[in-house]
Amino acid sequence: DAKTTQPPSMDCAEGRAANLPCNHSTISGNEYVYWYRQIHSQGPQYIIHGLKNNETNEMASLIITEDRKSSTLILPHATLRDTAVYYCIVTSGGSNYKLTFGKGTLLTVNP
Amino acid sequence: DAGVIQSPRHEVTEMGQEVTLRCKPISGHNSLFWYRQTMMRGLELLIYFNNNVPIDDSGMPEDRFSAKMPNASFSTLKIQPSEPRDSAVYFCASSNWGRGGNNSPLHFGNGTRLTVT
Repeated sequence: DAKTTQPPSMDCAEGRAANLPCNHSTISGNEYVYWYRQIHSQGPQYIIHGLKNNETNEMASLIITEDRKSSTLILPHATLRDTAVYYCIVTSGGSNYKLTFGKGTLLTVNP
Repeated sequence: DAGVIQSPRHEVTEMGQEVTLRCKPISGHNSLFWYRQTMMRGLELLIYFNNNVPIDDSGMPEDRFSAKMPNASFSTLKIQPSEPRDSAVYFCASSNWGRGGNNSPLHFGNGTRLTVT
């Protein structure tokens, strides 16, 4: 699976949009981009995933660049409860059981 | 949907004792995963079951660790004998991997925090 690079930490003001970047320059054509987050003392929580097109669900939006070498997770109106470690994972559909969690980005939402 | 249920939530035991962690996956899911999380190593996949059959146990650290899935609604991870270096948070996750494409996300439980003294 392709390796991902994320900033170790980010801050965001409550109510503002949080934009979390992820670089995956070695992504191959059949690999998906997944985002999970882990709130302190809880298990990781699935947020969203995509292949080529931008995706949106009730939690977030995923913007994937045209060359697919990077993506951005957008939380449109961050709340204090969104403070968590956010993991960007790239994996092919057939082997996604081997999700490899890196160190992720610690997003701190400030009041 | 009750989600993935793990028990106990916390376990404290002495070195050399047997430890059994339990997991109830989401009903209808066909795949179950055991992960371990430590500060040093992050989240590591230990073993993966599909339709109750172990598919990949390459992440199991050593013979002291064993996992079973006797039916679709229950799995155990056993450590015997336990050692202080086994102290970690152990997560169970389930998914519908393989159904409707292999892109079904994993749903994690809230983990068991194991402390071996």
